[in-house]
Amino acid sequence: DQQVKQNSPSLSVQEGRISILNCDYTNSMFDYFLWYKKYPAEGPTFLISISSIKDKNEDGRFTVFLNKSAKHLSLHIVPSQPGDSAVYFCAASGGFGNEKLTFGTGTRLTIIP
Amino acid sequence: DTGVSQNPRHKITKRGQNVTFRCDPISEHNRLYWYRQTLGQGPEFLTYFQNEAQLEKSRLLSDRFSAERPKGSFSTLEIQRTEQGDSAMYLCASSFVTGQGNPTNEKLFFGSGTQLSVL
Repeated sequence: DQQVKQNSPSLSVQEGRISILNCDYTNSMFDYFLWYKKYPAEGPTFLISISSIKDKNEDGRFTVFLNKSAKHLSLHIVPSQPGDSAVYFCAASGGFGNEKLTFGTGTRLTIIP
Repeated sequence: DTGVSQNPRHKITKRGQNVTFRCDPISEHNRLYWYRQTLGQGPEFLTYFQNEAQLEKSRLLSDRFSAERPKGSFSTLEIQRTEQGDSAMYLCASSFVTGQGNPTNEKLFFGSGTQLSVL
């Protein structure tokens, strides 16, 4: 059972425009959500996180929005830059027995110069 | 802070052979995780340690897999009698948490992984 879902395997965005990556989850016990970025041949790198007590967290060009009622979160990157081209993973944790992170399948973001 | 270090970066082996990977976490981190990632998938949890204690193992982890963290520092992951289905990227991650309970806001730092190819 896929508890964290990223339904878009790929996304292409023009440089300078906004990139929006989406993530849905099914486990209502999840209370902490993270986005990781991964370049080829490297491990995932932490990007931004949000606790379930918030609905928005912002860090520079990156903003994560959380809609608990819809069990949905999104990552906004604005403006998008060529260096943002990577695979982005959504991850979640929380609740008894769910201390470890559960990852989605990833979205490959390509920024077009 | 040199980050999480994994060795080797690549391993090619023949089916039926044993392989061992090593992970050196960030020095002050007390938790260490092993994940596996196959093409087109996100990282899948295998097991984790708090200090030297192995606290959880995924049902994905068959009895051919064993992990240790003998002194609460580096960890090894051994796969015995490798199969072609074991081919994957094996990722190690570490974190620091206080107390024994379910931590909030735990952030994992990943190494670059060991790419295993079983021929």
